[in-house]
Amino acid sequence: AQSVTQLDSHVSVSEGTPVLLRCNYSSSYSPSLFWYVQHPNKGLQLLLKYTSAATLVKGINGFEAEFKKSETSFHLTKPSAHMSDAAEYFCATGGSQGNLIFGKGTKLSVKP
Amino acid sequence: DAGVTQSPTHLIKTRGQHVTLRCSPISGHKSVSWYQQVLGQGPQFIFQYYEKEERGRGNFPDRFSARQFPNYSSELNVNALLLGDSALYLCASSLARGQLGLYEQYFGPGTRLTVT
Repeated sequence: AQSVTQLDSHVSVSEGTPVLLRCNYSSSYSPSLFWYVQHPNKGLQLLLKYTSAATLVKGINGFEAEFKKSETSFHLTKPSAHMSDAAEYFCATGGSQGNLIFGKGTKLSVKP
Repeated sequence: DAGVTQSPTHLIKTRGQHVTLRCSPISGHKSVSWYQQVLGQGPQFIFQYYEKEERGRGNFPDRFSARQFPNYSSELNVNALLLGDSALYLCASSLARGQLGLYEQYFGPGTRLTVT
């Protein structure tokens, strides 16, 4: 069965420093992988998606993620954090019913 | 263009009651999915509807039901509410049903349900 595991429940960085949010996946076939962001009292917004094309995926707001099959990972990175990046981030993979299967989330805090 | 809209925004119900949540997809989208997000967890898949038929169901009890109307809007119904049903209920719409890489799911802001 497909699943994703987010390795950190909370990450704290200083403004202007790099962001790394970690996600490992488990899948019996080539997965589709996604990163979503959720700001307080808002719905989920898609940051980027991997669908077996380029392994380095660029998303919105300067985020990118690299698909590493050998490590079964799809970590989200950003070179320089901004205060507005503070939010909850969810890694997800595609389920067999056309649904999304989400990890438990990583809360990103950005210190001034 | 309007995004996915959900109503109501917040709802407080008592154990044992029934609740109906509503979702209007983006214009032109024919697929609607429902997710439950309990505090501190990722969203969990409840249902997917496409062209007014149920196309997928997550691991939820029969107290949960849904339907999709000819205009592609959708309702999620929950009977005999339990305290554990307290959650944010998210609706997502997509153009069609199929490979998620092709048909992105766009999420609404959710309905916050509190069961007391």
